[in-house]
Amino acid sequence: QKEVEQDPGPLSVPEGAIVSLNCTYSNSAFQYFMWYRQYSRKGPELLMYTYSSGNKEDGRFTAQVDKSSKYISLFIRDSQPSDSATYLCAMSGNTGGFKTIFGAGTRLFVKA
Amino acid sequence: DTGVSQDPRHKITKRGQNVTFRCDPISEHNRLYWYRQTLGQGPEFLTYFQNEAQLEKSRLLSDRFSAERPKGSFSTLEIQRTEQGDSAMYLCASSLASSAQETQYFGPGTRLLVL
Repeated sequence: QKEVEQDPGPLSVPEGAIVSLNCTYSNSAFQYFMWYRQYSRKGPELLMYTYSSGNKEDGRFTAQVDKSSKYISLFIRDSQPSDSATYLCAMSGNTGGFKTIFGAGTRLFVKA
Repeated sequence: DTGVSQDPRHKITKRGQNVTFRCDPISEHNRLYWYRQTLGQGPEFLTYFQNEAQLEKSRLLSDRFSAERPKGSFSTLEIQRTEQGDSAMYLCASSLASSAQETQYFGPGTRLLVL
C-alpha cells in the first residue's frame, strides 16, 4: 500500500462546476499538507499549504485536512478551463519540507 | 526570472551513455531537492541538500546516480550508464529551511529519454 493514495482520474467537469479532489494517507506523522498544480510538461506549482487539521481558503480554492480520518481534500469553486491540469497532493512530517511524499495526481479537465 | 531553473529542458541519449543535469535554485534558498517523475505518477524523492551537504538519499538513487552541490548554490545530477528505465522527468526544487512554512518551489524539469 502506498503512503499516499490519490485517484488518477481523469475527472471531467463543465465550466462553473465545483470540483472535489481528495487523497488518503497512512502515515500519522504527516503534519504538513500541500496541493500542487502541474500543467503538462511543466514543474508542479504550489496552490495550498495547510498545517495539521482544518480548512484553508484562498480565492476559489479551499483545502481541508481531517487527520483523524487521514483524508485531505481540495475544492475548486467556479471551475475554469484554465484549471485543467494535474493536481498533486503532497505531505510531509514535522519539518514541513524534506522527503515530501506526493500522490500520483488527479487529471482534471474543465470543459468550456 | 528568479525562480528555479534547470538545464537542459530535454535530453535524448542512447543506453549506456552518461548524462548530467543542472539545477539553479532560488538564490537565498539553502535546501535543494531532486525528484524523479514518470508518466502518471507524482514526483518521487531522490535526494536533498542543505547548503553543500547531501543529507538524505532515497533507495531509488542507485550507484549509477550521483548528485553534487559543491558551493551550496547550483546542483548537478549525473546518471552513468543510462538505462531505458531512467527515462523520466527529473525535477529540482528548492526551499528556505529557516522559514516557518517551508515551501518547495519546483523548476520546469529536465525530460530524459533513453533510447
